[in-house]
Amino acid sequence: SYELTQPPSLSVSPGQTASIPCSGDKLGEIYVSWYQQKPGQSPILVLYQDNKRPSGIPERFSGSNSGNTATLTISGTQTMDEADYYCQAWDSGTVTFGGGTKLTVL
Amino acid sequence: EVQLVESGGGLVQPGRSLRLSCAASGFTFNDHAMHWVRQGPGKGLEWVAGINWNSYEIEYADSVKGRFTISRDNANKFLYLQMNSLRTEETAWYYCAKGPPSDDSSGYLGKWGQGTLVTVSS
Repeated sequence: SYELTQPPSLSVSPGQTASIPCSGDKLGEIYVSWYQQKPGQSPILVLYQDNKRPSGIPERFSGSNSGNTATLTISGTQTMDEADYYCQAWDSGTVTFGGGTKLTVL
Repeated sequence: EVQLVESGGGLVQPGRSLRLSCAASGFTFNDHAMHWVRQGPGKGLEWVAGINWNSYEIEYADSVKGRFTISRDNANKFLYLQMNSLRTEETAWYYCAKGPPSDDSSGYLGKWGQGTLVTVSS
């Protein structure tokens, strides 16, 4: 089965740029999506098809996907961005999630 | 407004069965794939099963294959998950999630319900 790997945690200062990597074999050949989940809440989609933002997602969220690594970038990180972030890929009819990255903004 | 409302969770003994439901509204249900995703306490997201718009394509995670069955009722806009032979490690929040439209194969989950809690314990 396909596997996606994320760092368990990441810290960033307010106003700085956070980059969350997600790695998988030939990941750049398939679409990657990203989800944000805050404590006690359901996940929400923040990026799809590598770098597209759904309606209502701030422009500070961007993404890239090439080779074996996809990256979620949050520019000018705000305290409200503190959350768990999950990458996700769809391959051969099945969905795979990364293990999640806890982003701390302090 | 897109809404997904799960129900059917609760306390169940190991080895028993439970059926989850997801009521959909606010979008053209029969044009979208649908999925079930679960999250154990303090754990990450785990995809459980997915079904395409017309039920012709159904996939399961290896961990539930042969025990869980996903189905949908397009006329009444419901998604279901029949769970048999439940195990204690399957205690989790179960989320219903909306996939992309039928002409989009990128596989993102655009909207999630609030989840329903399944507790498997004796």
